[in-house]
Amino acid sequence: GENVEQHPSTLSVQEGDSAVIKCTYSDSASNYFPWYKQELGKRPQLIIDIRSNVGEKKDQRIAVTLNKTAKHFSLHITETQPEDSAVYFCAATQISGRGAQKLVFGQGTRLTINP
Amino acid sequence: DGGITQSPKYLFRKEGQNVTLSCEQNLNHDAMYWYRQDPGQGLRLIYYSQIVNDFQKGDIAEGYSVSREKKESFPLTVTSAQKNPTAFYLCASSIGRDRVNEKLFFGSGTQLSVL
Repeated sequence: GENVEQHPSTLSVQEGDSAVIKCTYSDSASNYFPWYKQELGKRPQLIIDIRSNVGEKKDQRIAVTLNKTAKHFSLHITETQPEDSAVYFCAATQISGRGAQKLVFGQGTRLTINP
Repeated sequence: DGGITQSPKYLFRKEGQNVTLSCEQNLNHDAMYWYRQDPGQGLRLIYYSQIVNDFQKGDIAEGYSVSREKKESFPLTVTSAQKNPTAFYLCASSIGRDRVNEKLFFGSGTQLSVL
């Protein structure tokens, strides 16, 4: 089955600097890669996703890149702000034995933005 | 927000006791999921259901049971067979069984602790 590894587990950056979180996956059949943000005490929420037919996607200060050959994808946050402090999870699809697609999550990265 | 409600917010289990976590959604979603969140381990899938009266085991189903008698409801029972039940449990839903790679909407979670 699919295995998703996420690094680093914790990341601390100065406000205004960029942050990069990286994930690798094992199943070459995976074709959907979302990123979820979970603020302290709140539910995870989707912030950006990418499908396997594109290599990069941007939404204001966040971007995701995908390298299908190397089976890795990354989240990039530029001009970081205090409200970016949260735990970020990457995920990749896994095809079940019954043909259903379900998400496998990485271990999470706790991002702290220092003022 | 999100239209998916979990209750209770906190739950305590005694030795040998079964407990049930509630998850209700009013988003008219076909698919529903239960995830377990432990520190440093990300989100792990317990059970998922693509349609009423059907559900499948996820990666860590042992010691848990579910039912899907109604489209809106997907309760999770933590049985006495689950020896390490202390964790944060998240319920989620997505649009439909015939549509894959869709956004997950999460509930606010239930923290289960053992007395």
